[in-house]
Amino acid sequence: EAQVTQNPRYLITVTGKKLTVTCSQNMNHEYMSWYRQDPGLGLRQIYYSMNVEVTDKGDVPEGYKVSRKEKRNFPLILESPSPNQTSLYFCASSLSLTGDGYTFGSGTRLTVV
Amino acid sequence: QQPVQSPQAVILREGEDAVINCSSSKALYSVHWYRQKHGEAPVFLMILLKGGEQKGHDKISASFNEKKQQSSLYLTASQLSYSGTYFCGTDLSNGNKLVFGAGTILRVKS
Repeated sequence: EAQVTQNPRYLITVTGKKLTVTCSQNMNHEYMSWYRQDPGLGLRQIYYSMNVEVTDKGDVPEGYKVSRKEKRNFPLILESPSPNQTSLYFCASSLSLTGDGYTFGSGTRLTVV
Repeated sequence: QQPVQSPQAVILREGEDAVINCSSSKALYSVHWYRQKHGEAPVFLMILLKGGEQKGHDKISASFNEKKQQSSLYLTASQLSYSGTYFCGTDLSNGNKLVFGAGTILRVKS
């Protein structure tokens, strides 16, 4: 089944403890992206990647890192999480943003205390 | 720059129609529309490219006016299953980046 898989689905952590949210897609998509969703603000882009080793900042990149060493994987790294990073995170992938939409993962609900 | 969606919320009865608007202050290459049901991930509905085309599937269609930098999503004869939050996503850079609006909450009542 074609899908975007994120792990974990839920995570509670403490301030400053490094964490990684994994994202993997099995559709051979070029584009991958991370969004955070907060009430009333919609989906805000954190980072995106157009291909292996090609990444760029979105609108809210502060406090996050990404890497794209393989086409299928696009992990999101929080080196020192803070409470303002408590949010619902979505990974998404697309073959081409000019012809196809994004396929979203199921989401990761992160709470930083 | 985040596109502006209107209205923020709308309540309909089954069978009624609705229009959701999305406008940008910058020139657009394309507009995407997504629907998100409560507790689920957003699901892609359709993409509209430059050229003012109108697209549709079933009773949901959309238009794109590139001169006005606006898109509208039309839901006709609404069904209970149409309930959810609708997001437009705007592509300002020809396929490199998609910026979403804040969403429009649609609730269809029986």
